[in-house]
Amino acid sequence: GENVEQHPSTLSVQEGDSAVIKCTYSDSASNYFPWYKQELGKRPQLIIDIRSNVGEKKDQRIAVTLNKTAKHFSLHITETQPEDSAVYFCAASMNTGGFKTIFGAGTRLFVKA
Amino acid sequence: DGGITQSPKYLFRKEGQNVTLSCEQNLNHDAMYWYRQDPGQGLRLIYYSQIVNDFQKGDIAEGYSVSREKKESFPLTVTSAQKNPTAFYLCASSKMDTNEKLFFGSGTQLSVL
Repeated sequence: GENVEQHPSTLSVQEGDSAVIKCTYSDSASNYFPWYKQELGKRPQLIIDIRSNVGEKKDQRIAVTLNKTAKHFSLHITETQPEDSAVYFCAASMNTGGFKTIFGAGTRLFVKA
Repeated sequence: DGGITQSPKYLFRKEGQNVTLSCEQNLNHDAMYWYRQDPGQGLRLIYYSQIVNDFQKGDIAEGYSVSREKKESFPLTVTSAQKNPTAFYLCASSKMDTNEKLFFGSGTQLSVL
């Protein structure tokens, strides 16, 4: 089955710096790659997603890139702010007769003011 | 907070006891999912359902059971066969037309007495 690896597990940056989180997936049938942000004590919420027919997508300070050949995708956050501090999960999803989403282990991001 | 509701927020299980976690959605989504979240391990898929009266096992289904008698409801039973049930359980739903983002409930924290 699909396996999603996520690195690093913890990331600490200074406010205003950029943060990059990287993920790899194993199953070439995966065609949808969402990123979720989970603040302490809250539910995960989608922040950005990318489909396999697109190489890059940007939404204000957040961007995601996808390399299908290498089976890896990355989240880039620019001009980080303290409110960006949270756990970020990457995921890979495929159609197996239904849509099955497998998550990475998560990255805890600390943005120091 | 609207859309997908989990209850209770906290649940305690005694040895040998089965407990049921509730998940209800009013988003008219066909697909529903149960994930288990342990510290440092991300979200692991327990069961998912694409349509009423049908469901599939995820990666860690042993010791759990589900039912999908109504489109709006997808309860999860943690049976006595699950030897390490302490975790945070998240229910989610999504559209079925295309591979789409997950909407999560606010979760249930299950602990063993």
